[in-house]
Amino acid sequence: KNQVEQSPQSLIILEGKNCTLQCNYTVSPFSNLRWYKQDTGRGPVSLTIMTFSENTKSNGRYTATLDADTKQSSLHITASQLSDSASYICVVSAGSNDYKLSFGAGTTVTVRA
Amino acid sequence: DAGVTQSPTHLIKTRGQQVTLRCSPISGHKSVSWYQQVLGQGPQFIFQYYEKEERGRGNFPDRFSARQFPNYSSELNVNALLLGDSALYLCASSTLGQVPYEQYFGPGTRLTVT
Repeated sequence: KNQVEQSPQSLIILEGKNCTLQCNYTVSPFSNLRWYKQDTGRGPVSLTIMTFSENTKSNGRYTATLDADTKQSSLHITASQLSDSASYICVVSAGSNDYKLSFGAGTTVTVRA
Repeated sequence: DAGVTQSPTHLIKTRGQQVTLRCSPISGHKSVSWYQQVLGQGPQFIFQYYEKEERGRGNFPDRFSARQFPNYSSELNVNALLLGDSALYLCASSTLGQVPYEQYFGPGTRLTVT
C-alpha cells in the first residue's frame, strides 16, 4: 500500500523563526512529490512540485528538498509569518497515474506573534 | 480569472439520504478530480474525469458515483449516506498537459451526515 507519512503532526513557532517539516513515502513507482498549503476549511494550494531529478525547489520563503533514494522530503519555512499558519500536506504521485495522488495527513503549523 | 468553484458550501443530510455535489473547473481545464477529506486526515482520491470519461477511481464503494458534462463541470453523487461519509469533499481541475499535472483545488463542500 502506498503511504505518505509526515512529521511532526503539529508544531508552534514564533513569528520570524524558521521551521522544517518532514515527509517519508513508500509510493512506488515514484513520479513526483508535491507540497500543498491548506488553510482551515479551504482547498489545498500548491507550493512546489518536484520530479525524480530535482532535489530542491523554492517558492518564496518555502524551500522543498527531495531525496528519492531514501524516499524523504522536507519543507523549510524561512522567517515565518502569521499567514503561514496552516496545514502543510505532502503529496506523492505514482508512476504514470499522475492523477492518483497519495496525500499525507499533514503538519499543522501555528505561528504566534 | 475564476478559480475552481464548488456548491453548495455546506450541506447537512441524514443517514440513508442521497446527495449531489457540484464542481465547475477553471476555464480551459478539461479534467476534474474528486477527493474526500475526513477531519484530521489528508484527502483521499475518489474519481478523475477527463473529457467526460472516467480515467481513474479510488477505493470507494459503489455508493459513490460521478459524471462530467460537456462544459467540463462535474457532479459527485453519494447514495445511502452513512455517518462516515461526513467530510470535506474537494474538487480539483487540471489541464492534463505535461506530467506532472498541476491540480487546482476548489474550496470544498462540507457534508455532515446525522
